[in-house]
Amino acid sequence: GENVEQHPSTLSVQEGDSAVIKCTYSDSASNYFPWYKQELGKGPQLIIDIRSNVGEKKDQRIAVTLNKTAKHFSLHITETQPEDSAVYFCAASRHTGRRALTFGSGTRLQVQP
Amino acid sequence: EAGVAQSPRYKIIEKRQSVAFWCNPISGHATLYWYQQILGQGPKLLIQFQNNGVVDDSQLPKDRFSAERLKGVDSTLKIQPAKLEDSAVYLCASSLLRGSTDTQYFGPGTRLTVL
Repeated sequence: GENVEQHPSTLSVQEGDSAVIKCTYSDSASNYFPWYKQELGKGPQLIIDIRSNVGEKKDQRIAVTLNKTAKHFSLHITETQPEDSAVYFCAASRHTGRRALTFGSGTRLQVQP
Repeated sequence: EAGVAQSPRYKIIEKRQSVAFWCNPISGHATLYWYQQILGQGPKLLIQFQNNGVVDDSQLPKDRFSAERLKGVDSTLKIQPAKLEDSAVYLCASSLLRGSTDTQYFGPGTRLTVL
């Protein structure tokens, strides 16, 4: 089955700096890669996703890049703000059959004001 | 649009007791998932439904966990009997399952503590 590894497990940045979180996956058939933000006591919330026919996607301060050859994808947050502090999860899945997400272990991002 | 609803939000039980969680997905969403999230880890799939049929339950501990989705709408996840290691947040998610649009939306979860 699919295995997703995520690094780093914790990340502390100063407000206004950039943050980068990296993930690798094992199943070459995976073609959908979402990123979720989870705040304390809440369920994961989708912040951005990318499909395998796209190499990069951007939404305001958030961007995701995908390298299918190397089987890795990354989340980039620019101009970080204190409200970006949360746990971020990467995930991977297929778009046919078993569509359940396989999640990474999470990155706790702390943005220092 | 209303999100995924789950209840209860919190539950504390003794080991060997039974417990049930309820999920109401977003209206019109054909696919429903139950995930288990142990503290400090990412969510892990327990079971996936498409309408009222099971697509994947390979990671569901069937000796103690059961789930159903009657009428293809809301769903119930049950644990009987509970073990200490079942302490976790149980997340329900749903998706529309239309073409390549398959974004999963998560509910707030039920935090289970087994004493």
